[in-house]
Amino acid sequence: EAEVAQSPRYKITEKSQAVAFWCDPISGHATLYWYRQILGQGPELLVQFQDESVVDDSQLPKDRFSAERLKGVDSTLKIQPAELGDSAMYLCASSLAGRKDGYTFGSGTRLTVV
Amino acid sequence: AQTVTQSQPEMSVQEAETVTLSCTYDTSESDYYLFWYKQPPSRQMILVIRQEAYKQQNATENRFSVNFQKAAKSFSLKISDSQLGDAAMYFCAYRSAYNNNDMRFGAGTRLTVKP
Repeated sequence: EAEVAQSPRYKITEKSQAVAFWCDPISGHATLYWYRQILGQGPELLVQFQDESVVDDSQLPKDRFSAERLKGVDSTLKIQPAELGDSAMYLCASSLAGRKDGYTFGSGTRLTVV
Repeated sequence: AQTVTQSQPEMSVQEAETVTLSCTYDTSESDYYLFWYKQPPSRQMILVIRQEAYKQQNATENRFSVNFQKAAKSFSLKISDSQLGDAAMYFCAYRSAYNNNDMRFGAGTRLTVKP
C-alpha cells in the first residue's frame, strides 16, 4: 500500500538552530499538507500546497517557518530559528483532488527543541 | 470558521464491549464531509470511517459505525466488540465540500481498552 514518507522520524535540536523536515507524498496526490500537532491536541494546518503552489499558509509563522514544494512532488518544511514552543509532532499528509477523500498521513516528525 | 469539538478527552472500554465517542461541529454549510481518524501511540493517523453530509444513511466499516445527526451537528463513532488494538487517540474531522479548505480536527479522545 502506498505511503506518505517523512523524515526524520525524530529530531532534537537546540533553540535558535535551524531544522528541516522532508515529506514525499503518495504518487499522484496533487495536494500536500503540513500539520503541527502539539501533544494532547488535534493537528492544526500550517501550509497547504496544490501542486507546487501554496494554497493556504495563513497559519504558518512566516518569520521563522518556510515551506516549499518546488517540483510539485516532495516538500520541505524549515524552521529557523527554532524556539522551545516549536516542540511538537509535524505531520505531512496528501490527498487526491476530490474533497470526499480523506487524507493519507505520514508517520510524522517529532521535534524536541531544548 | 468551522470548529470541531470532542468533549471526551478520555474514554475506556472493556474488551469485547461497545463504546461511543462523541463529536459535534459547527458550520453554516450544507455540504461537507466528516471523518474519524485513529492515531495509535507513536504511529501514523489512519482513516477509520467517512460520512458525506448529503447521505442520510450512517456509514459503517466492519466494527465501526457512526451516528450522524445533521440537524444536531453531531457525528459520534461507535466501536463494537472492542479489541486491544483499538486503543488509540481518535480524532473527528470536518472538511468543506465547497472550497479547497483543509480538514479541521477536534482535540481528540484517548481510548483505553481494558483486557
